[in-house]
Amino acid sequence: SQQGEEDPQALSIQEGENATMNCSYKTSINNLQWYRQNSGRGLVHLILIRSNEREKHSGRLRVTLDTSKKSSSLLITASRAADTASYFCATDYYTGRRALTFGSGTRLQVQP
Amino acid sequence: DAGVIQSPRHEVTEMGQEVTLRCKPISGHDYLFWYRQTMMRGLELLIYFNNNVPIDDSGMPEDRFSAKMPNASFSTLKIQPSEPRDSAVYFCASSGLAGDGYNEQFFGPGTRLTVL
Repeated sequence: SQQGEEDPQALSIQEGENATMNCSYKTSINNLQWYRQNSGRGLVHLILIRSNEREKHSGRLRVTLDTSKKSSSLLITASRAADTASYFCATDYYTGRRALTFGSGTRLQVQP
Repeated sequence: DAGVIQSPRHEVTEMGQEVTLRCKPISGHDYLFWYRQTMMRGLELLIYFNNNVPIDDSGMPEDRFSAKMPNASFSTLKIQPSEPRDSAVYFCASSGLAGDGYNEQFFGPGTRLTVL
């Protein structure tokens, strides 16, 4: 399987703290994306980082990509209770396929 | 735009029955994806279409599963006959090919299928 792996599987923090989630993958990629899934809902795209980028910001989100280590991290700063959700990384492998391969996800719980 | 629309939202059926899940992608998107999500296996790609043509169906579990896309605004995923192990949440997603070739996928709310 080329599925990415996220760690930790679960993370519980207090409101206002930062949350960091990591993703590792196996082969070369075109880009890596992060999605959020609230309980009982579909996934929502958060941010995309291309293979030639090392860092990207969007609001309170910061994503890094290290292609030499085949890993990415998602940092949520100043977390809020509303950030409670599962977070998935998804990779677009360099095979011409348009489909994404999703990781196993990190469940984030932000305590108010 | 209303986003990706899926129906039904919930389906409970008995083993052996035929189940049909429906999806309406976002207008103008030329890629459509069907995923299945379970606790054990996570989010799995079943099949995807480009311009209504199936491109990769290697994720379809077995012959009991079939998917069609008769036009740009409608797709179905059919399970016949259904089995308890098919119980899962099935998501449809669509995307348009961005000018630079990178694709963000837009997911529907999912159909929660329970096979008794």
